[in-house]
Amino acid sequence: DGGITQSPKYLFRKEGQNVTLSCEQNLNHDAMYWYRQDPGQGLRLIYYSQIVNDFQKGDIAEGYSVSREKKESFPLTVTSAQKNPTAFYLCASSTQGAIYTEAFFGQGTRLTVV
Amino acid sequence: AQSVSQHNHHVILSEAASLELGCNYSYGGTVNLFWYVQYPGQHLQLLLKYFSGDPLVKGIKGFEAEFIKSKFSFNLRKPSVQWSDTAEYFCAVQPPMTWGKLQFGAGTQVVVTP
Repeated sequence: DGGITQSPKYLFRKEGQNVTLSCEQNLNHDAMYWYRQDPGQGLRLIYYSQIVNDFQKGDIAEGYSVSREKKESFPLTVTSAQKNPTAFYLCASSTQGAIYTEAFFGQGTRLTVV
Repeated sequence: AQSVSQHNHHVILSEAASLELGCNYSYGGTVNLFWYVQYPGQHLQLLLKYFSGDPLVKGIKGFEAEFIKSKFSFNLRKPSVQWSDTAEYFCAVQPPMTWGKLQFGAGTQVVVTP
Protein backbone atom coordinates (compact mmCIF):
# COMPACT_ATOMS: atom_id res chain seq x y z
CA ASP A 1 0.00 0.00 0.00
CA GLY A 2 1.29 3.45 -0.85
CA GLY A 3 1.36 5.94 1.96
CA ILE A 4 3.20 7.82 4.64
CA THR A 5 4.54 6.08 7.71
CA GLN A 6 5.38 7.97 10.85
CA SER A 7 7.09 6.39 13.80
CA PRO A 8 6.81 6.05 16.66
CA LYS A 9 3.13 6.72 17.34
CA TYR A 10 3.85 7.88 20.89
CA LEU A 11 7.13 9.32 22.15
CA PHE A 12 8.20 10.50 25.55
CA ARG A 13 11.19 12.73 26.05
CA LYS A 14 12.92 14.12 29.07
CA GLU A 15 13.53 17.83 29.19
CA GLY A 16 16.87 18.78 27.67
CA GLN A 17 17.00 15.84 25.27
CA ASN A 18 16.82 15.90 21.50
CA VAL A 19 14.46 13.46 19.85
CA THR A 20 13.97 12.47 16.20
CA LEU A 21 10.64 11.67 14.59
CA SER A 22 10.64 9.46 11.55
CA CYS A 23 8.64 10.01 8.35
CA GLU A 24 8.86 7.73 5.32
CA GLN A 25 6.77 7.83 2.14
CA ASN A 26 6.51 5.46 -0.80
CA LEU A 27 4.32 7.68 -2.95
CA ASN A 28 7.27 8.92 -5.01
CA HIS A 29 6.43 12.46 -3.97
CA ASP A 30 9.07 15.16 -4.29
CA ALA A 31 7.76 17.43 -1.56
CA MET A 32 7.47 16.63 2.14
CA TYR A 33 6.25 18.66 5.10
CA TRP A 34 6.17 18.67 8.88
CA TYR A 35 3.25 20.20 10.75
CA ARG A 36 2.61 20.64 14.42
CA GLN A 37 -0.93 20.36 15.79
CA ASP A 38 -1.96 22.00 19.06
CA PRO A 39 -5.51 22.18 20.43
CA GLY A 40 -7.34 25.23 19.12
CA GLN A 41 -4.53 26.24 16.77
CA GLY A 42 -4.95 23.93 13.82
CA LEU A 43 -1.82 22.74 12.05
CA ARG A 44 1.23 24.94 11.68
CA LEU A 45 4.05 24.33 9.24
CA ILE A 46 7.45 23.62 10.78
CA TYR A 47 9.65 22.74 7.80
CA TYR A 48 9.17 21.65 4.23
CA SER A 49 11.31 20.18 1.50
CA GLN A 50 10.63 20.41 -2.20
CA ILE A 51 13.55 18.28 -3.32
CA VAL A 52 16.26 16.05 -1.91
CA ASN A 53 19.05 17.89 -0.07
CA ASP A 54 16.98 21.06 0.18
CA PHE A 55 14.53 22.30 2.78
CA GLN A 56 13.01 25.56 4.00
CA LYS A 57 11.71 26.87 7.29
CA GLY A 58 8.01 27.09 7.79
CA ASP A 59 6.12 29.32 10.19
CA ILE A 60 7.43 27.81 13.45
CA ALA A 61 10.89 26.36 12.72
CA GLU A 62 12.66 27.52 15.88
CA GLY A 63 13.86 24.60 17.99
CA TYR A 64 13.49 22.08 15.16
CA SER A 65 15.81 20.68 12.51
CA VAL A 66 15.32 18.41 9.50
CA SER A 67 17.27 16.60 6.83
CA ARG A 68 16.33 15.29 3.40
CA GLU A 69 19.05 12.91 2.27
CA LYS A 70 16.64 10.58 0.49
CA LYS A 71 13.47 11.25 -1.43
CA GLU A 72 11.52 8.83 0.75
CA SER A 73 12.60 10.14 4.13
CA PHE A 74 12.21 13.44 6.00
CA PRO A 75 13.08 13.06 9.68
CA LEU A 76 12.33 15.84 12.16
CA THR A 77 14.52 16.48 15.20
CA VAL A 78 12.97 18.28 18.12
CA THR A 79 15.86 19.89 19.93
CA SER A 80 16.22 20.96 23.52
CA ALA A 81 15.87 24.54 22.27
CA GLN A 82 12.18 23.99 21.51
CA LYS A 83 10.47 25.57 24.50
CA ASN A 84 7.16 23.77 24.29
CA PRO A 85 7.64 20.54 22.35
CA THR A 86 4.66 18.57 23.68
CA ALA A 87 2.35 18.32 20.66
CA PHE A 88 1.03 16.12 17.89
CA TYR A 89 3.34 16.07 14.85
CA LEU A 90 2.10 15.31 11.36
CA CYS A 91 4.17 14.57 8.28
CA ALA A 92 2.78 15.06 4.79
CA SER A 93 3.91 14.71 1.20
CA SER A 94 2.76 15.93 -2.19
CA THR A 95 3.74 16.06 -5.82
CA GLN A 96 5.80 19.04 -6.85
CA GLY A 97 5.54 21.36 -9.82
CA ALA A 98 1.83 20.87 -10.40
CA ILE A 99 -0.82 23.50 -9.89
CA TYR A 100 -3.35 21.00 -8.65
CA THR A 101 -1.65 19.07 -5.92
CA GLU A 102 -2.97 17.42 -2.81
CA ALA A 103 -1.08 16.67 0.39
CA PHE A 104 -1.28 13.22 1.98
CA PHE A 105 -0.78 12.87 5.71
CA GLY A 106 0.74 10.26 7.99
CA GLN A 107 -0.91 9.08 11.18
CA GLY A 108 1.12 11.35 13.39
CA THR A 109 3.46 11.13 16.35
CA ARG A 110 2.36 12.36 19.75
CA LEU A 111 5.35 13.74 21.62
CA THR A 112 5.20 14.30 25.36
CA VAL A 113 7.95 15.92 27.38
CA VAL A 114 8.16 14.51 30.89
CA ALA B 1 -1.38 38.89 8.00
CA GLN B 2 -2.77 36.37 5.57
CA SER B 3 -4.84 33.75 7.31
CA VAL B 4 -7.53 31.11 7.31
CA SER B 5 -10.45 31.63 9.69
CA GLN B 6 -12.93 29.06 10.87
CA HIS B 7 -15.93 30.70 12.46
CA ASN B 8 -16.78 28.19 15.15
CA HIS B 9 -14.44 26.36 17.48
CA HIS B 10 -17.08 24.02 18.89
CA VAL B 11 -20.40 22.90 17.47
CA ILE B 12 -22.84 20.56 19.19
CA LEU B 13 -25.84 19.26 17.32
CA SER B 14 -28.26 16.35 17.27
CA GLU B 15 -28.35 13.53 14.76
CA ALA B 16 -30.26 14.41 11.58
CA ALA B 17 -29.57 18.12 12.04
CA SER B 18 -27.90 20.06 9.26
CA LEU B 19 -24.30 21.17 9.59
CA GLU B 20 -22.59 24.19 8.12
CA LEU B 21 -19.04 25.16 9.02
CA GLY B 22 -17.69 28.47 7.85
CA CYS B 23 -14.21 29.09 6.42
CA ASN B 24 -12.80 32.37 5.16
CA TYR B 25 -9.34 33.11 3.87
CA SER B 26 -7.44 36.28 3.11
CA TYR B 27 -5.14 35.24 0.27
CA GLY B 28 -5.42 36.93 -3.09
CA GLY B 29 -5.04 35.19 -6.41
CA THR B 30 -5.92 31.63 -7.29
CA VAL B 31 -5.98 29.31 -4.31
CA ASN B 32 -6.71 25.64 -3.84
CA LEU B 33 -9.08 24.82 -1.01
CA PHE B 34 -9.52 21.76 1.18
CA TRP B 35 -11.53 20.40 4.06
CA TYR B 36 -9.91 17.74 6.21
CA VAL B 37 -11.47 15.70 9.00
CA GLN B 38 -9.84 14.08 12.00
CA TYR B 39 -11.96 11.45 13.73
CA PRO B 40 -11.09 10.66 17.36
CA GLY B 41 -7.83 8.74 17.48
CA GLN B 42 -7.41 8.72 13.72
CA HIS B 43 -5.25 10.52 11.21
CA LEU B 44 -6.16 13.49 9.08
CA GLN B 45 -8.33 12.57 6.10
CA LEU B 46 -9.31 14.60 3.08
CA LEU B 47 -13.05 15.28 2.89
CA LEU B 48 -13.07 17.30 -0.30
CA LYS B 49 -11.04 19.72 -2.38
CA TYR B 50 -11.56 22.56 -4.80
CA PHE B 51 -9.07 23.39 -7.51
CA SER B 52 -11.21 24.93 -10.26
CA GLY B 53 -14.52 24.55 -12.09
CA ASP B 54 -17.90 24.05 -10.44
CA PRO B 55 -17.80 25.97 -7.13
CA LEU B 56 -20.05 23.39 -5.48
CA VAL B 57 -17.85 20.46 -4.58
CA LYS B 58 -19.04 17.10 -3.35
CA GLY B 59 -16.87 15.03 -1.08
CA ILE B 60 -17.00 11.80 0.83
CA LYS B 61 -19.61 10.80 3.42
CA GLY B 62 -22.25 13.18 2.08
CA PHE B 63 -20.29 16.37 2.64
CA GLU B 64 -20.21 19.24 0.19
CA ALA B 65 -18.63 22.66 0.13
CA GLU B 66 -19.28 25.84 -1.79
CA PHE B 67 -16.55 28.17 -2.97
CA ILE B 68 -17.67 31.80 -3.16
CA LYS B 69 -14.80 33.74 -4.66
CA SER B 70 -16.24 37.18 -3.95
CA LYS B 71 -16.54 36.33 -0.27
CA PHE B 72 -13.22 34.43 0.01
CA SER B 73 -15.22 31.63 1.57
CA PHE B 74 -15.32 27.84 1.36
CA ASN B 75 -18.08 26.65 3.67
CA LEU B 76 -18.66 23.00 4.44
CA ARG B 77 -22.15 21.53 4.63
CA LYS B 78 -23.93 18.28 5.35
CA PRO B 79 -27.73 18.11 5.22
CA SER B 80 -28.16 15.46 7.91
CA VAL B 81 -25.39 14.50 10.32
CA GLN B 82 -24.83 11.19 12.04
CA TRP B 83 -23.23 10.35 15.35
CA SER B 84 -20.22 9.09 13.38
CA ASP B 85 -19.59 12.62 12.08
CA THR B 86 -18.25 13.58 15.50
CA ALA B 87 -14.77 14.80 14.68
CA GLU B 88 -12.57 17.84 14.26
CA TYR B 89 -12.83 19.59 10.90
CA PHE B 90 -10.09 21.69 9.37
CA CYS B 91 -10.27 24.11 6.49
CA ALA B 92 -7.00 24.49 4.58
CA VAL B 93 -5.86 26.84 1.86
CA GLN B 94 -3.04 26.33 -0.59
CA PRO B 95 -1.92 29.87 -1.44
CA PRO B 96 -0.85 30.71 -5.00
CA MET B 97 2.34 29.06 -6.24
CA THR B 98 3.07 27.26 -2.97
CA TRP B 99 2.47 23.77 -4.38
CA GLY B 100 1.65 21.43 -1.51
CA LYS B 101 2.08 23.89 1.36
CA LEU B 102 -1.12 24.39 3.29
CA GLN B 103 -2.34 27.05 5.68
CA PHE B 104 -4.86 25.62 8.12
CA GLY B 105 -7.67 27.13 10.09
CA ALA B 106 -7.82 26.51 13.83
CA GLY B 107 -10.32 23.69 13.43
CA THR B 108 -13.90 23.14 14.52
CA GLN B 109 -14.74 20.41 17.00
CA VAL B 110 -18.11 18.93 16.04
CA VAL B 111 -20.01 16.76 18.48
CA VAL B 112 -23.13 14.96 17.27
CA THR B 113 -25.41 13.69 20.00
CA PRO B 114 -27.67 10.66 19.48
